[in-house]
Amino acid sequence: DAKTTQPPSMDCAEGRAANLPCNHSTISGNEYVYWYRQIHSQGPQYIIHGLKNNETNEMASLIITEDRKSSTLILPHATLRDTAVYYCIVRSPNTGNQFYFGTGTSLTVIP
Amino acid sequence: DAEITQSPRHKITETGRQVTLACHQTWNHNNMFWYRQDLGHGLRLIHYSYGVQDTNKGEVSDGYSVSRSNTEDLPLTLESAASSQTSVYFCASSESKIGAEAFFGQGTRLTVV
Repeated sequence: DAKTTQPPSMDCAEGRAANLPCNHSTISGNEYVYWYRQIHSQGPQYIIHGLKNNETNEMASLIITEDRKSSTLILPHATLRDTAVYYCIVRSPNTGNQFYFGTGTSLTVIP
Repeated sequence: DAEITQSPRHKITETGRQVTLACHQTWNHNNMFWYRQDLGHGLRLIHYSYGVQDTNKGEVSDGYSVSRSNTEDLPLTLESAASSQTSVYFCASSESKIGAEAFFGQGTRLTVV
């Protein structure tokens, strides 16, 4: 499995864009990058995922570098409700399509 | 709306007892997963299933078992509960196709005393 590396914590001012980085330097060509978040002790919530191209949905944008060794999750206008732990996950069809979670980035949105 | 539900939400049990946590999904997903979450460890995969009668071990499967008799349910059994199994347990499901997202339940907080 490709391992991911994320900073343990980040702060972001309310209303500003939150840019959460993730390194996955050993990623293979058929492995997807997923982002989930977990608010308090709730179940993880799906945000977005991508393979090669940048992706955008109503929640966020995902920017994947051309060499696919890193990615950035962008929350365009962070709100207090975006305070959560954000997990970057590389999902591999070679190992059964499991979701292996790391320890994530704890994002605090500051008023 | 389709959903995934876990029960109970909270449970306290004694060391050595057998405990079963329920997970039920109405998406008709083939893939189902069980995770545990402890401070400092994120979510760790316990067991997973790709379909009826299929079960597989994850990273931390010792002391746990699952069975898949239908598409909707994947119960997690602790054969003989230990204090080290005090944790929050999450169930998830996803479609089989590559690139599908997984949906998580709200968790079961289990305390073994």
